[in-house]
Amino acid sequence: SAVISQKPSRDICQRGTSLTIQCQVDSQVTMMFWYRQQPGQSLTLIATANQGSEATYESGFVIDKFPISRPNLTFSTLTVSNMSPEDSSIYLCSVYALGETQYFGPGTRLLVL
Amino acid sequence: GENVEQHPSTLSVQEGDSAVIKCTYSDSASNYFPWYKQELGKRPQLIIDIRSNVGEKKDQRIAVTLNKTAKHFSLHITETQPEDSAVYFCAASIDTGRRALTFGSGTRLQVQP
Repeated sequence: SAVISQKPSRDICQRGTSLTIQCQVDSQVTMMFWYRQQPGQSLTLIATANQGSEATYESGFVIDKFPISRPNLTFSTLTVSNMSPEDSSIYLCSVYALGETQYFGPGTRLLVL
Repeated sequence: GENVEQHPSTLSVQEGDSAVIKCTYSDSASNYFPWYKQELGKRPQLIIDIRSNVGEKKDQRIAVTLNKTAKHFSLHITETQPEDSAVYFCAASIDTGRRALTFGSGTRLQVQP
């Protein structure tokens, strides 16, 4: 399996501000995924982050709102920009480990006031 | 893109009974189907998965069946226990390239002692 950590684990932010979430993996991986889980809902893929190239965003998500960095094969960041209360969610990163199974980080719980 | 539908949204069973959760997918190219269990306040955890080269897979009290022709797959939990109470998510992906998962809407399973 993969050991995945995220920082911060939770935060309360004011609307209009930005928050950067970090994801660290204990092994080198080609792709890292960022998901959003709104309260009581399922997981929705935001984007896929490849090292050395721009992230691939899903329909409904744009780079200006959710800029992503992938500086190396074990680390990625997701920024939630110009936040509104609708951005209150759990944000999870995930990776494939041993090429077979997708594992999730513990998540970042974001509340926007 | 892929669309995954999951039923039922809630399921209540008596301890010891069986539980069945069903999912359908839209993209005939999908060939990887994992199931995740998410307990309250925790990350999704993989409980079983199946690839399209098999029709059924079992792991102790848990089994998954796949019908590629009908494009549906199901999770079967036998001899349910209170600790099985959680939200279960099915997902589908194409097992090459990005391998991004599309999730179903989730089923809240309650096992009554």
